[in-house]
Amino acid sequence: KQEVTQIPAALSVPEGENLVLNCSFTDSAIYNLQWFRQDPGKGLTSLLLIQSSQREQTSGRLNASLDKSSGRSTLYIAASQPGDSATYLCAVRISGFQKLVFGTGTRLLVSP
Amino acid sequence: EPEVTQTPSHQVTQMGQEVILRCVPISNHLYFYWYRQILGQKVEFLVSFYNNEISEKSEIFDDQFSVERPDGSNFTLKIRSTKLEDSAMYFCAGRYGGALETQYFGPGTRLLVL
Repeated sequence: KQEVTQIPAALSVPEGENLVLNCSFTDSAIYNLQWFRQDPGKGLTSLLLIQSSQREQTSGRLNASLDKSSGRSTLYIAASQPGDSATYLCAVRISGFQKLVFGTGTRLLVSP
Repeated sequence: EPEVTQTPSHQVTQMGQEVILRCVPISNHLYFYWYRQILGQKVEFLVSFYNNEISEKSEIFDDQFSVERPDGSNFTLKIRSTKLEDSAMYFCAGRYGGALETQYFGPGTRLLVL
């Protein structure tokens, strides 16, 4: 059974810092990995999707990497801003299945 | 930019009552999903729907749950007889299919069963 874990569970940083969020998964037979942002009481906003054949994806200040063989992904946020404060979720789509399996989330607080 | 919409945003119901949660996916999406998130817990997959039939479902999605796409635009989740443990945020999601893998989520319906 695929298990997805995110470390740290919570992170508090001052504005301007570069930071790394970690995601690990137990079964490397994945189709893709998606990073989401969730604001309190709100839906999920897709940030980046990495296919299993890719090593990284970039969007603006965000960069996500994938090491499928070791079961790890990282989300790098450059020059963090207070508006980046949210919970960040990673989710994997298992090969042969439609569903996404979600991680536990990292709650990020960026203070001005 | 097109968005997934869900109604209602909040619903309070009595245990044993039927509820229907509604979603309007992005036009041209082919795959549709329901997920739920119990307060403080992970987002969990419930069901996926493609070509007017269920393509995959989780062990949570028992006979009390059903989905349909009655008119080619709305996508609904029905819970026949709600239980206290059905209290959660329910998210609808969709994707285009083919090489376009990103799942786009709606804002959610917060269901409270009393």
